[in-house]
Amino acid sequence: DQQVKQNSPSLSVQEGRISILNCDYTNSMFDYFLWYKKYPAEGPTFLISISSIKDKNEDGRFTVFLNKSAKHLSLHIVPSQPGDSAVYFCAANSWGKFQFGAGTQVVVTP
Amino acid sequence: DTGVSQDPRHKITKRGQNVTFRCDPISEHNRLYWYRQTLGQGPEFLTYFQNEAQLEKSRLLSDRFSAERPKGSFSTLEIQRTEQGDSAMYLCASSLRTGGVNEKLFFGSGTQLSVL
Repeated sequence: DQQVKQNSPSLSVQEGRISILNCDYTNSMFDYFLWYKKYPAEGPTFLISISSIKDKNEDGRFTVFLNKSAKHLSLHIVPSQPGDSAVYFCAANSWGKFQFGAGTQVVVTP
Repeated sequence: DTGVSQDPRHKITKRGQNVTFRCDPISEHNRLYWYRQTLGQGPEFLTYFQNEAQLEKSRLLSDRFSAERPKGSFSTLEIQRTEQGDSAMYLCASSLRTGGVNEKLFFGSGTQLSVL
């Protein structure tokens, strides 16, 4: 039962442009959403999060948007940098139980 | 280094053997999670502990898998009679649950298991 979905397995973006990653969820009980970044052979690292009572959270180049009515969240990275090339996972939390999407591979090209 | 530590980083074993992995969480964290990840998939929940109590175990988890967290500190994950389908990255994560909703997981580097 995949309750968190990332429908784009990959994304290629030019350096300096905006990267937009999307995530959909089905469980309305999720109350906290997170984005993680993962490099090969390493564990995921926390990037940014948003509570269900908010619709936007910014941290430097990273902004997460939440649309509760559509059960959709997105991560914007601007400007994209070569070091942003990684797999990005969307995660959702309900009562301490985290569920992850399948990830989106981002490649930032010069 | 005060992050989550996992040992070993890599494990190669033959089918049918038992393997054990260790995780040392961030010291002040009260929750510890085990996840499994295969190529092209996100981390899949296996089990988690609050202090020393195992609160939930995935129903997808075979009886060959067992986890412990004695004294609420480090944790071990044992897989008995390994099968080729057990080959995956096993991730440990810890968090500080204080009652609010903004709980964040901090992951270790994982243990890559290959069952031959």
